[in-house]
Amino acid sequence: SQQGEEDPQALSIQEGENATMNCSYKTSINNLQWYRQNSGRGLVHLILIRSNEREKHSGRLRVTLDTSKKSSSLLITASRAADTASYFCATVTSYDKVIFGPGTSLSVIP
Amino acid sequence: DAGVIQSPRHEVTEMGQEVTLRCKPISGHDYLFWYRQTMMRGLELLIYFNNNVPIDDSGMPEDRFSAKMPNASFSTLKIQPSEPRDSAVYFCASSLGGFNEQYFGPGTRLTVT
Repeated sequence: SQQGEEDPQALSIQEGENATMNCSYKTSINNLQWYRQNSGRGLVHLILIRSNEREKHSGRLRVTLDTSKKSSSLLITASRAADTASYFCATVTSYDKVIFGPGTSLSVIP
Repeated sequence: DAGVIQSPRHEVTEMGQEVTLRCKPISGHDYLFWYRQTMMRGLELLIYFNNNVPIDDSGMPEDRFSAKMPNASFSTLKIQPSEPRDSAVYFCASSLGGFNEQYFGPGTRLTVT
């Protein structure tokens, strides 16, 4: 697998449900970031979690980081149609490389 | 602030032509990044600058690609000569202080025929 690989590749849920996306990586990291990309647009930064942190919250977003398993998860609670987008994790390694995963395509059905 | 500005938004060119993509970062940001996004390879970092100085260009695919940042408010990515496999969306992003929150521009969709 690549550094920063999201799972699942695609996710379809009903409005109001929670959405969980996972990211796995290979090498040591300084931080891990999640971005959202709406179709045809640039990426928008959602949240950053540092290697010494285990959990962060921002509004309806909750991110966890398990450095022993080299994995992170992004939880979006009470999803809305406007959350429909692709979500990417980006790992920043200890040697200043930033690597984006292939993304999870989320569809929230009204 | 208007955010990161990229131009043109769309570029269609013929193989062999020179292509220049432009980027204006957010004022005050000291890092600038150029990315390429394709279906096959996803989002790839091509090069990044710190205080106008290129730091890591290991992601630049070939010598046909070059990037400059003559001042803190302007950067270019040039492809010469262009090839069909260069067709992609090219993003510019900027940040303050390094590899933290990056602000992306809207991208330039390049099509080389």
